[in-house]
Amino acid sequence: ETAVFQTPNYHVTQVGNEVSFNCKQTLGHDTMYWYKQDSKKLLKIMFSYNNKQLIVNETVPRRFSPQSSDKAHLNLRIKSVEPEDSAVYLCASSLRTGGPSQNTLYFGAGTRLSVL
Amino acid sequence: QQQVRQSPQSLTVWEGGTTVLTCSYEDSTFNYFPWYQQFPGEGPALLISILSVSDKKEDGRFTTFFNKREKKLSLHIIDSQPGDSATYFCAASAGSFNKLTFGAGTRLAVCP
Repeated sequence: ETAVFQTPNYHVTQVGNEVSFNCKQTLGHDTMYWYKQDSKKLLKIMFSYNNKQLIVNETVPRRFSPQSSDKAHLNLRIKSVEPEDSAVYLCASSLRTGGPSQNTLYFGAGTRLSVL
Repeated sequence: QQQVRQSPQSLTVWEGGTTVLTCSYEDSTFNYFPWYQQFPGEGPALLISILSVSDKKEDGRFTTFFNKREKKLSLHIIDSQPGDSATYFCAASAGSFNKLTFGAGTRLAVCP
């Protein structure tokens, strides 16, 4: 049963455009994340957001920025897309950061971005 | 630098057979090891997990084994079913989720 909702499912755009992806979780979790999954299925964490504290993976280019209105929503904006940004962007949530039992990740179905 | 390595990259087994996926890691501070299962068009979902204080955890047809000395773990699927066809990710963390590191995944195909 889906509890992490992502929109859109797919997005095709051209180099230099700005895109924005939405994510909402209905699990009442405290922490949300954005992951990037490339064509080889490699999963890399981009951001985590907990109680308005943003933790950024230092390898993420500055054109990426997360936006959160409340703990149930975490959007992702890409200012000027590049070809290497083509990937599936997965949103996830967890109850909180802490012990392993609280850290189970619940993923959305992902947004597939194609940059032409 | 790949801290969590999975093998094989892909695997095909016959229905009813036993599947064995393996994972190794380098960071000796890792103490939590979840396995995630991902079907096409979906996000990964937690399948089973183990803490470093245990050497085995079983959940139905799925069992994960942990060897702290060798820094290895494995996932065994008995009586494999076509519905098990998916990509399986091994992951590891040292307690803090923010440092959860995923392996590259193993694509499993179970043929009827």
